[in-house]
Amino acid sequence: GAVVSQHPSWVICKSGTSVKIECRSLDFQATTMFWYRQFPKQSLMLMATSNEGSKATYEQGVEKDKFLINHASLTLSTLTVTSAHPEDSSFYICGAGAPGFDTEAFFGQGTRLTVV
Amino acid sequence: AQRVTQPEKLLSVFKGAPVELKCNYSYSGSPELFWYVQYSRQRLQLLLRHISRESIKGFTADLNKGETSFHLKKPFAQEEDSAMYYCALRLGYSSASKIIFGSGTRLSIRP
Repeated sequence: GAVVSQHPSWVICKSGTSVKIECRSLDFQATTMFWYRQFPKQSLMLMATSNEGSKATYEQGVEKDKFLINHASLTLSTLTVTSAHPEDSSFYICGAGAPGFDTEAFFGQGTRLTVV
Repeated sequence: AQRVTQPEKLLSVFKGAPVELKCNYSYSGSPELFWYVQYSRQRLQLLLRHISRESIKGFTADLNKGETSFHLKKPFAQEEDSAMYYCALRLGYSSASKIIFGSGTRLSIRP
């Protein structure tokens, strides 16, 4: 299967700062990328869907000014958590898909964000 | 509203026993359903999807539209099956369609 890589795997930041998480498709061109948030022992909650070259579509209740998503190329999407607060601490997972893979999506290893 | 329900947070069975992980969905359109597995310290990976109707690692799942279910089954559990299993629903048939997940079931196989 195709490989999706997230960076960093974990990050600790101070409250009020911004942090960027990268999601790269290493061996395919991802036309669509998904960003999920996972709280401890809970499911993956879809935050937004982004298609290359267009604005991300956010799920209801997700603040687009808080969670900035950029999908500038077919191999890279970024999620920036702006003015992070402790309640933003979570596990963030990206997924990627492309027409060549039918409807299968491939997922990164996740990024654990801790805001102190 | 679209929803995926996995009623069991934890399922523990003995090695060699049958396994059934339950999944029910709610969706007004034509569903595309998947099972994803996450082994310890690894990423989510696709286990199987309903449209391919295949058996992977001995697991099968049949879509029952009448009961809106997509339960995952395996006749004889193995220790290496211990993992977190997520049922997922794709809202459309394109690679750009959203995927929503159930809350997951942790499968623990006892030796």
